[in-house]
Amino acid sequence: AQSVTQLGSHVSVSEGALVLLRCNYSSSVPPYLFWYVQYPNQGLQLLLKYTSAATLVKGINGFEAEFKKSETSFHLTKPSAHMSDAAEYFCAVSEYGNKLVFGAGTILRVKS
Amino acid sequence: DAGVTQSPTHLIKTRGQQVTLRCSPKSGHDTVSWYQQALGQGPQFIFQYYEEEERQRGNFPDRFSGHQFPNYSSELNVNALWLGDSALYLCASSFSGLNQPQHFGDGTRLSIL
Repeated sequence: AQSVTQLGSHVSVSEGALVLLRCNYSSSVPPYLFWYVQYPNQGLQLLLKYTSAATLVKGINGFEAEFKKSETSFHLTKPSAHMSDAAEYFCAVSEYGNKLVFGAGTILRVKS
Repeated sequence: DAGVTQSPTHLIKTRGQQVTLRCSPKSGHDTVSWYQQALGQGPQFIFQYYEEEERQRGNFPDRFSGHQFPNYSSELNVNALWLGDSALYLCASSFSGLNQPQHFGDGTRLSIL
């Protein structure tokens, strides 16, 4: 069965600092991986997706993620945090069809 | 180009009642999925509809049912509501095909008293 583990339910960084949000997955077949962001009282917005074309995936708003099969990881990074990045971030895996299995989420706080 | 729209935005029900939530997919999308997001948790997959048929189902009881119409819009019905059904219900649409990215609406906040 597929599953996702997001390490750290809360992450706090200073404005301008590196953002690193961790995601490890479990999948019996080559996975499709996604990162979504959720702002308060809103739905989820797709940041980026990995579909086996390239291990380093670039997304919107300066975010990127690297797929590492040996580590079963798909960590999300951004070189310089902005106040507007404060939100909750979800990693998700899909094996068959379009069913998404989500992690528990990481709340990112950006300090000025 | 309108994205995924859901109605209503908020709903309050009492235990034992039933509820119907509605979703219009993003233009061009033919597949609709529903998720339940309890407070402080990630979304949980309820089911997916394609060509007016339930294609996949998550680990939810039969009290949860759905429908997809010829125009691809969808409804989620929940019977015999109980306190544990209080959550944000998210609708997502996508193109059919393997692992197409899903686009989410802003959800319906359902509160059970």
